[in-house]
Amino acid sequence: DVKVTQSSRYLVKRTGEKVFLECVQDMDHENMFWYRQDPGLGLRLIYFSYDVKMKEKGDIPEGYSVSREKKERFSLILESASTNQTSMYLCASSLEGGAKNIQYFGAGTRLSVL
Amino acid sequence: AQSVTQLDSQVPVFEEAPVELRCNYSSSVSVYLFWYVQYPNQGLQLLLKYLSGSTLVESINGFEAEFNKSQTSFHLRKPSVHISDTAEYFCAVKRGGTSYGKLTFGQGTILTVHP
Repeated sequence: DVKVTQSSRYLVKRTGEKVFLECVQDMDHENMFWYRQDPGLGLRLIYFSYDVKMKEKGDIPEGYSVSREKKERFSLILESASTNQTSMYLCASSLEGGAKNIQYFGAGTRLSVL
Repeated sequence: AQSVTQLDSQVPVFEEAPVELRCNYSSSVSVYLFWYVQYPNQGLQLLLKYLSGSTLVESINGFEAEFNKSQTSFHLRKPSVHISDTAEYFCAVKRGGTSYGKLTFGQGTILTVHP
């Protein structure tokens, strides 16, 4: 089975802190994604990566950056956390090769910024 | 760009009753369609998908969805729900072609099954 692991289930941070959310997948997938999930808004794509050191902005990249130094790991970085970044963050991965490939999700990290 | 609208934010239903969760999409190109389910305190799991071929697709736990191109819909149905079906359900669309497999999600529908 594909496994996508997010390092923390719950995080509490202070406004202005630098926050790292980590995601690791064990299936040698080329594509990795970061979403945020908010009630009534569904999932919105923040950033995605289709190869090591490659990244593309999603629909809501403002206030976030990402890092992919190794194929299996994709990090989401909040340079200076703000209260409006309190949310559930979901990581996903998929194989390369076109639009048919399925995305597999981690369990999520619920971030609270106080 | 494509978009997805889930017409009901919450659907309460009694156990063993039928249910339909509605999903409409808009896209100027061909699409692939998905339903994901999120059980409490878990990530999303793929429930079923339409890629090509038969417009009626089924999941292993009794859900089905029908791709209707003329109405741009992909409604999810189950003839008899169980308490364990209580979850949030997300419809998603992926543009045909490459685009690195980006998904566009609907707002989600919370299905609550009551005894």
